[in-house]
Amino acid sequence: AQSVAQPEDQVNVAEGNPLTVKCTYSVSGNPYLFWYVQYPNRGLQFLLKYITGDNLVKGSYGFEAEFNKSQTSFHLKKPSALVSDSALYFCAVRDYPGGSYIPTFGRGTSLIVHP
Amino acid sequence: DTEVTQTPKHLVMGMTNKKSLKCEQHMGHRAMYWYKQKAKKPPELMFVYSYEKLSINESVPSRFSPECPNSSLLNLHLHALQPEDSALYLCASSPGEAAGTEAFFGQGTRLTVV
Repeated sequence: AQSVAQPEDQVNVAEGNPLTVKCTYSVSGNPYLFWYVQYPNRGLQFLLKYITGDNLVKGSYGFEAEFNKSQTSFHLKKPSALVSDSALYFCAVRDYPGGSYIPTFGRGTSLIVHP
Repeated sequence: DTEVTQTPKHLVMGMTNKKSLKCEQHMGHRAMYWYKQKAKKPPELMFVYSYEKLSINESVPSRFSPECPNSSLLNLHLHALQPEDSALYLCASSPGEAAGTEAFFGQGTRLTVV
């Protein structure tokens, strides 16, 4: 079975400060991990993914995420937050090879960047 | 073209109306999805079409009826909806059933049932 947890409903950060949005996962096999962002009244936009290889993954808009197998985590990070980064962020996981090819989404974390 | 296009953007319908949501992609993707999303919640999977055949129906009520006329188009026919069906309906596509591929989402249709 595949599951993912986003422990924070909301993250607040000041503009210019580093940000972290947390995600932990549970799979039987190997995790394929994804981050999506959703702006108000819009669809989800793909940010980045981890399939295999380097544990530090770089994505769109300056975001990156670090895969940590021992802690079963895939936290999203950005060195310097922008007000325009304020949005809803979803982590998603697929369990390979045994799980569904349909991703399981976390509950979402609302990121608020204060000017 | 890396877009998934959904129409209409907004829809208000009465409980006795029949309407359809449309979704189109020209990326050659062979898997297409319908999701329902309530405010500040994750998207909930409704249907999956793989190679134009319905492969997953997540026990969705029959008042929602999906259709895949061809590999680029996906429709969702609505009939006798309830106010609790009001939500953002998202269409998505992916190259296929490979686990490592990400999905591309449309902008959604904001549906209000009155």
